[in-house]
This record gives sequence, structure tokens and C-alpha cells, in this order.
Amino acid sequence: DAGVIQSPRHEVTEMGQEVTLRCKPISGHDYLFWYRQTMMRGLELLIYFNNNVPIDDSGMPEDRFSAKMPNASFSTLKIQPSEPRDSAVYFCASSPATRPGNTIYFGEGSWLTVV
Amino acid sequence: GNSVTQMEGPVTLSEEAFLTINCTYTATGYPSLFWYVQYPGEGLQLLLKATKADDKGSNKGFEATYRKETTSFHLEKGSVQVSDSAVYFCALGAGSYQLTFGKGTKLSVIP
Repeated sequence: DAGVIQSPRHEVTEMGQEVTLRCKPISGHDYLFWYRQTMMRGLELLIYFNNNVPIDDSGMPEDRFSAKMPNASFSTLKIQPSEPRDSAVYFCASSPATRPGNTIYFGEGSWLTVV
Repeated sequence: GNSVTQMEGPVTLSEEAFLTINCTYTATGYPSLFWYVQYPGEGLQLLLKATKADDKGSNKGFEATYRKETTSFHLEKGSVQVSDSAVYFCALGAGSYQLTFGKGTKLSVIP
């Protein structure tokens, strides 16, 4: 079975540019999560969706960050304008909605460098 | 609120040594507990999990027992290999569909 698919795997961009990260969750999973991982702050939950609806975006650092899920098989995380402190690994993850505490499945991450 | 505390790393062991990574938690209700592993350059993968007290999760020689009385879920392996070098995350799920992760413990195994 295909896992969570993220693109791009690696991106280097200049400060001020727009960055769009993409995610395809596992088919049939009702929950989709965006995480950010840095050395300093570890793994942080940015936002999560249930059935394409954003449920909790309290982890989104500021207005430069936005996330959408137009359908059950696609989500984007956008940073506009990007800044060097946004450099991190961004993970998308998905989970079936069988019950709370169910396993979350991660993609391989998008490694973002803003110079 | 929910929280997970795991031992600070990094941990460096020789091949075939015994591994313990401590994890304790604070949660309301009856959480499920997880260990995830992240190999260099990859995403997090589920290593094992336990959904109720006294359950033991196991996979690839790793084990962890859900201890409600001590609110712990320590990860153990009897004989580590170089290929076990990775970052290990303890996590809990309780009352919502998101997981609360610990900060991660980096393990390096040297030949």
C-alpha cells in the first residue's frame, strides 16, 4: 500500500519567496496532520484536518503560514513570504478515524532550506 | 494537559549492549502509548504501541510495557545493532485524534 506521499522532498529557496508543500494522505484516512521538526523545538504540530476541515490550527506560527485541504486526497502547506527561520523538515501524516489515540502514519518529509 | 517526558540524549552504546530509553507520561483518561523511530533522512515510523494498562508492545526485538501505576512506557532491547541507530520518540494519544510526542532520544550504536 502507498504511504503518505509528500513533495518536494527537498527545497532550497530564497527569503521572501513563496513555498508550497504538498501531501497525499493514505486513502481512507480521515485525519491529516502537518508537523514541523527543528533541532531547537523538536516536533511541533502545526495544524490538523478531519474530513478536509481544519480542526486545530493553534500551532501555525504566524499568518505567513496557511494550509488547505481541498479534497480527501490532497493538502498543501504554504509559506508566504518565507524566512530563514522557517528552515525545517515539514512532515505530513494521516490517521484513520477509528478512535482517539490511533496510529498516525508519517510521510518522509519535505526538507526546506530558506537562504 | 497531556505531556510526555523521555530521557535526554544522545545515548551511545556498543553493539550488543542492552538498551533502555525511559518514558513517562501525564494524561487524563486512559491513553494509548506509542514508540516511533526516525532513521536518518526519513520520516517517523511506528515501532510499537500499547493501548491499555499492562499491555506489552513489541517489534524488531524492542519491547515496552504500559505501566499505569508508574505512568511509564520504557523502551528496551536486549542487544542493539548498528542498524538501530536512530531517534526514538515516545508518544501518547488520549481524548483526541492527535498524538503528544516527547522530544526524542538519539541513539548511536558503535561497532
